[in-house]
Amino acid sequence: GQSLEQPSEVTAVEGAIVQINCTYQTSGFYGLSWYQQHDGGAPTFLSYNALDGLEETGRFSSFLSRSDSYGYLLLQELQMKDSASYFCAARMDSSYKLIFGSGTRLLVRP
Amino acid sequence: DAGVTQSPTHLIKTRGQQVTLRCSPKSGHDTVSWYQQALGQGPQFIFQYYEEEERQRGNFPDRFSGHQFPNYSSELNVNALLLGDSALYLCASSDDRSSYEQYFGPGTRLTVT
Repeated sequence: GQSLEQPSEVTAVEGAIVQINCTYQTSGFYGLSWYQQHDGGAPTFLSYNALDGLEETGRFSSFLSRSDSYGYLLLQELQMKDSASYFCAARMDSSYKLIFGSGTRLLVRP
Repeated sequence: DAGVTQSPTHLIKTRGQQVTLRCSPKSGHDTVSWYQQALGQGPQFIFQYYEEEERQRGNFPDRFSGHQFPNYSSELNVNALLLGDSALYLCASSDDRSSYEQYFGPGTRLTVT
């Protein structure tokens, strides 16, 4: 089947760095996206990796290793407003749908 | 530039009833996807519309149907509502060439009693 695994919760201190991991088991994997969702809000696109390596967008970076079926989202200089749920989502070859993980709830403490 | 809009925001229905949810995509987007999100879970793909046709469908029963109009807006219809249909229904739009980057609307919270 197709599934993505993420830790359910992560806690970190304001100003620190946190890494949220995502492992996937899918056939025909095409690329990995990351979304942020605040409580009561809509998911917001953060980044996308189609190739192995690191993609950097401001304080957020995302990494993909196809050989390990693994990716992560790295958040630097954490701010209180970063407290939210983070979802990895995989796109399959010849498919238009995104398959989402169950999400990681990040709590940033002062 | 208007983002993705959805209506209504909240809806309460009784088991067995039918519901229609509406979505207007972000300006310039031609593809609309619908997702169901249960509390504490990730969004689950229902189906995607492109050029007024259902292009792909997830693992949802035929009670879930949709439509896309010439202006790219879309509707999600659910018949014979079950208690388990209670969830947040999200509409997402994208450019057909960049389906990995989807713009989500605020969602419709459906409660079935």
